[in-house]
Amino acid sequence: NAGVTQTPKFQVLKTGQSMTLQCAQDMNHEYMSWYRQDPGMGLRLIHYSVGAGITDQGEVPNGYNVSRSTTEDFPLRLLSAAPSQTSVYFCASSHTSGRADEQYFGPGTRLTVT
Amino acid sequence: DQQVKQNSPSLSVQEGRISILNCDYTNSMFDYFLWYKKYPAEGPTFLISISSIKDKNEDGRFTVFLNKSAKHLSLHIVPSQPGDSAVYFCAASENDAGNKLTFGGGTRVLVKP
Repeated sequence: NAGVTQTPKFQVLKTGQSMTLQCAQDMNHEYMSWYRQDPGMGLRLIHYSVGAGITDQGEVPNGYNVSRSTTEDFPLRLLSAAPSQTSVYFCASSHTSGRADEQYFGPGTRLTVT
Repeated sequence: DQQVKQNSPSLSVQEGRISILNCDYTNSMFDYFLWYKKYPAEGPTFLISISSIKDKNEDGRFTVFLNKSAKHLSLHIVPSQPGDSAVYFCAASENDAGNKLTFGGGTRVLVKP
């Protein structure tokens, strides 16, 4: 049972490049979400999904796309990277019927956009 | 404007003493509050939570206090241990918002041996 996995661990992009941050979980969780962590700002919700085929926006969705074709995977796409997207990105998952404290976070992806 | 605030970015405490971390919130719809602990290069891990119907919840060395009228919660760690050195995030959720969490900015705790 690997829990929540994220790839890559580190990534450097040039402004305007695109990339996909991968997130996978093997706990059969319905709920998955993406957060970004910036100094002094804590973690802010980007997008979330309550099940395959269903996604919705969080607090800071601009510049990011998501899709949920399977229960296990929830990739985050940056179509045209900007320096403001330099951050650490965390994926999380839980059962939809579970309490908020039953969320599991991945180890994070540190992204730098130059 | 941040709905959850941790006004102390850092805290240094001697091993064996009490660590007190504070958190304030502005959204009166929040009804569930959590503390997460984060080590470098790892994701946050759940530490302790409290529902708005309670004013205290204890789990071993960790106790969370909630003052709804003041929109304030605090985390007490007694006694503090060097392994407690980490960043602590306060978070809150609304009952009808599912598992969406609103986080504070974090407090870095250093426990000196």
